[in-house]
Amino acid sequence: DAGVIQSPRHEVTEMGQEVTLRCKPISGHNSLFWYRQTMMRGLELLIYFNNNVPIDDSGMPEDRFSAKMPNASFSTLKIQPSEPRDSAVYFCASSLRSGGASDTQYFGPGTRLTVL
Amino acid sequence: AQSVTQLDSQVPVFEEAPVELRCNYSSSVSVYLFWYVQYPNQGLQLLLKYLSGSTLVKSINGFEAEFNKSQTSFHLRKPSVHISDTAEYFCAVSDLPQGGSEKLVFGKGTKLTVNP
Repeated sequence: DAGVIQSPRHEVTEMGQEVTLRCKPISGHNSLFWYRQTMMRGLELLIYFNNNVPIDDSGMPEDRFSAKMPNASFSTLKIQPSEPRDSAVYFCASSLRSGGASDTQYFGPGTRLTVL
Repeated sequence: AQSVTQLDSQVPVFEEAPVELRCNYSSSVSVYLFWYVQYPNQGLQLLLKYLSGSTLVKSINGFEAEFNKSQTSFHLRKPSVHISDTAEYFCAVSDLPQGGSEKLVFGKGTKLTVNP
């Protein structure tokens, strides 16, 4: 299996621009998670989906952030407009939900976002 | 909501020395507990997890962790480390009792550096 695939791996953009991060979960997995990792705040869950439906988006920082999962094999995280404080590594993870948090989450390699 | 404290942000050790990475969580109710490892420029990988049963859980590469309910701790240990164990280690706990949500709460991580 190819694992969780994220693109791009690196993104450098200017403040005010729109940024779209992409994720392809492991085939057959039905839960998908978006995390943000910074030195100051560590690893934070932004949002997670189950069967393409957003379940918990309480970690989404503000209205500039949005996430979609149009089908079981693709999700996007969009930031519009971007700000320098959004600079971080964004991880996508997926799991084969059998009920609750006992399932292993498989992480992608991350997208390193730099907003100038 | 749960919280996770990893008391040491950095732990330097020499090769073949023992190591303990400490993790405490906030709730005394039933939880699921995890250790994930992040090698440089990679996503997180599950190292081991405690769901129920024996309080001592082991990984395939020699790490072990012991669930201590009275002390709300889940410390990670290895009797003899290798250079290849150099990585960042994250402790995580399920957000709701008995894993009622898929959401995990992560600690801020401990950077383990193994020196020759």
